[in-house]
Amino acid sequence: EDQVTQSPEALRLQEGESSSLNCSYTVSGLRGLFWYRQDPGKGPEFLFTLYSAGEEKEKERLKATLTKKESFLHITAPKPEDSATYLCAVQADYNQGGKLIFGQGTELSVKP
Amino acid sequence: ETGVTQTPRHLVMGMTNKKSLKCEQHLGHNAMYWYKQSAKKPLELMFVYSLEERVENNSVPSRFSPECPNSSHLFLHLHTLQPEDSALYLCASSRTGDTEAFFGQGTRLTVV
Repeated sequence: EDQVTQSPEALRLQEGESSSLNCSYTVSGLRGLFWYRQDPGKGPEFLFTLYSAGEEKEKERLKATLTKKESFLHITAPKPEDSATYLCAVQADYNQGGKLIFGQGTELSVKP
Repeated sequence: ETGVTQTPRHLVMGMTNKKSLKCEQHLGHNAMYWYKQSAKKPLELMFVYSLEERVENNSVPSRFSPECPNSSHLFLHLHTLQPEDSALYLCASSRTGDTEAFFGQGTRLTVV
């Protein structure tokens, strides 16, 4: 069964304190792995797509990496505005229509 | 401004009511989705439409009825809902054969 597990469930950081969020996945053939950011009461905002092991993507203070079993979202010198829930999702290569399988998310809180 | 617009943003309905959620995308995409997000649970795919045809229905109860009249519009018709159907309902779209999905802001549904 295709599955996505994110850890930790919640993470509290001080401003400037770098850390990483983990996304472990089990899927029968990976088409893509996606990271989203979700603010309270809003829809998920697309951040990155990763397609193959070894691939890396960066955007401002965020860097996403991918291996054959997991992905990491590294946050360098975070700011309070980075506080949000970060969602990881995978798409299997057998899927038609773009179905995404989501993890439960990591709630990040960055204190000034 | 998001490319995917959902209305209404908030909805309170009784168990005997009939209501509809609306989604419109301005991104030129050919696939549209309904997801359900309940507290502390991963996003769950409900329906997928690709080129206006339903591709996948994830065993959703018949009290939820989707409609996709064209590639830009998606509806979710609701009738005789239960309190446990209270959740954030998210619409998303993507290009068929492409993988990034872009989400709307969601409709917060409360069933009383």
